[in-house]
Amino acid sequence: NAGVTQTPKFRILKIGQSMTLQCAQDMNHNYMYWYRQDPGMGLKLIYYSVGAGITDKGEVPNGYNVSRSTTEDFPLRLELAAPSQTSVYFCASTSPLREQYFGPGTRLTVT
Amino acid sequence: QKEVEQNSGPLSVPEGAIASLNCTYSDRGSQSFFWYRQYSGKSPELIMSIYSNGDKEDGRFTAQLNKASQYVSLLIRDSQPSDSATYLCAVTIGANSKLTFGKGITLSVRP
Repeated sequence: NAGVTQTPKFRILKIGQSMTLQCAQDMNHNYMYWYRQDPGMGLKLIYYSVGAGITDKGEVPNGYNVSRSTTEDFPLRLELAAPSQTSVYFCASTSPLREQYFGPGTRLTVT
Repeated sequence: QKEVEQNSGPLSVPEGAIASLNCTYSDRGSQSFFWYRQYSGKSPELIMSIYSNGDKEDGRFTAQLNKASQYVSLLIRDSQPSDSATYLCAVTIGANSKLTFGKGITLSVRP
């Protein structure tokens, strides 16, 4: 099993550009999450999904959108990138025992 | 009161010592408790899960849970420089059992 995979690993965006961060898992987990982590700070939940077709906002959803058309994939869309969205983004999926497994992260810089 | 609180840190111990990391949580109904390790520039990695009161040992790591006092701790015996990392406590909170993370504590093991 590859676990949770994320692409790209790094990206530099100009202000106002848009992009999609890809996330996939091969563990057949229903629950998936997107977090951001700013330098020296904790994890902040952006969006989560409890299954295909069902998504909900976390604590910092503004400026982001998600979709969940399959169990495996949970892409995160950034519209009109702003410098405040410079961060490391982690995708995660959760087992039935609530054990959460993280992808390697995407380091995003908006200039 | 924050939902999951950890000592502010950083924590520094000499090589070979026991490192003790503590975490308190607010929801008396919480059922699942986890410790994650995050090396600088990497994603969080699950190292311990505990679901019932008492101790759970895995190698040099021991997780301790006391639901009456609403705390969970992680002991690292015979600390090694390779244990130097940020440790995140995570607890399922609320009716939908969403995993909530503490801010983390940075451990430094001095050779």
